[in-house]
Amino acid sequence: QSVLTQPPSVSGAPGQRVTISCTGSSSNIGASYDVQWYQQLPGTAPKLLIYGNRNRPSGVPDRVSGSKSGTSASLAISGLQAEDEADYFCQSYDSSLSAWVFGGGTKLTVL
Amino acid sequence: QVQLVESGGGVVQPGRSLRLSCAASGFTFSSHAVHWVRQAPGKGPEWVAVISYDGNDKKYSDSVKGRFTVSRDNSKNTLYLQMNTLGVEDTAVYYCARDLWTGRGSYFDYWGQGTLVTVSS
Repeated sequence: QSVLTQPPSVSGAPGQRVTISCTGSSSNIGASYDVQWYQQLPGTAPKLLIYGNRNRPSGVPDRVSGSKSGTSASLAISGLQAEDEADYFCQSYDSSLSAWVFGGGTKLTVL
Repeated sequence: QVQLVESGGGVVQPGRSLRLSCAASGFTFSSHAVHWVRQAPGKGPEWVAVISYDGNDKKYSDSVKGRFTVSRDNSKNTLYLQMNTLGVEDTAVYYCARDLWTGRGSYFDYWGQGTLVTVSS
């Protein structure tokens, strides 16, 4: 199983706000390693969505935001659009494993 | 623009070997560490290996240590992954991804399109 825990699925209607959680431990998120979020559309490679817990790369709209507290992190998407329907993965570094780790992914469905 | 293009995937029998390549362009390849990340069908990504900018430091996940070898040729802007003693559990899309260090870990800012490796008899 994945080192970082995410809910398998979330859903929301167009225009609504959804959040996706990512729970880790004291050897990764809780050890102050940054959390990143990636979006993966069907049949494509993951794309960086949030880096350094809350920073957006150029081109990512400001209705997408990230936060981190303790051993958990969250991704929020407001003003949901049909194009947001995708899989979302969180990622950090684990000092006990000496490895980069991912969550199992959350499928976002826009109703 | 940054581009990473993987090649070398295919169908291989258990116990056999395969070598993947990743051609980089659009940035100074020799200035960045680069990773291999794989994703089994229907699963989340799994980190496989990383190689430092100069090739002197390499790290592997426990699941591939001793079987896989990462290398790079900075004169050709190319990353490699030599995979030996393949098992069905190695079936996945393999991505190369550029590393960006934040000071509190690093992450993957650009990914290739991936190459599919299927291990099957």
